[in-house]
Amino acid sequence: EPEVTQTPSHQVTQMGQEVILRCVPISNHLYFYWYRQILGQKVEFLVSFYNNEISEKSEIFDDQFSVERPDGSNFTLKIRSTKLEDSAMYFCASSERGGRGSGSKNIQYFGAGTRLSVL
Amino acid sequence: SQQGEEDPQALSIQEGENATMNCSYKTSINNLQWYRQNSGRGLVHLILIRSNEREKHSGRLRVTLDTSKKSSSLLITASRAADTASYFCATDFLVDTGRRALTFGSGTRLQVQP
Repeated sequence: EPEVTQTPSHQVTQMGQEVILRCVPISNHLYFYWYRQILGQKVEFLVSFYNNEISEKSEIFDDQFSVERPDGSNFTLKIRSTKLEDSAMYFCASSERGGRGSGSKNIQYFGAGTRLSVL
Repeated sequence: SQQGEEDPQALSIQEGENATMNCSYKTSINNLQWYRQNSGRGLVHLILIRSNEREKHSGRLRVTLDTSKKSSSLLITASRAADTASYFCATDFLVDTGRRALTFGSGTRLQVQP
């Protein structure tokens, strides 16, 4: 069964360093997402990406964050200068092309996540 | 409460019993989904119910949706120890812009004792 894969599973970095989290979405999916989950808290939406551009982002997704689809398979999240509060699980998700409004199912398939620890 | 709040926060039952989890939300939605998360793992989609549906079944799962009360429930029948996980409801809003971001609730931690 196709799945979303994320690497690395655990990333440890020093505060102020740049990190890149990588994701390979399901191959025929066209919508890509990043979410994060701080330990013990809700899963929070960061950004969605479609047709090679950001389609939506939350207030969490500030100038320190960026996303890229550098080739036909990878989808990356970059944090330019990590802060302690960036420590969290980061989940990538993808979904098939779907219509808008009530006809869209919008089932998102999640990767296993990358645990980011900022020291 | 925020969009997508589940209750109870934690639920402990014996194997074979039924588990019921509830979710409330605040805005109009396209559909509501339930996801499961094993400890330290990613989210796994369980079931989706559209805004014009009232009840849906999938195996041992039964989901109801009451749009007038803006609430949903997830029932797991004949629970098993392997059902131990956190369960989240997720909604996407009814908008014309095609917004696809999911809003997750806080989750219910289900513990099924063997």
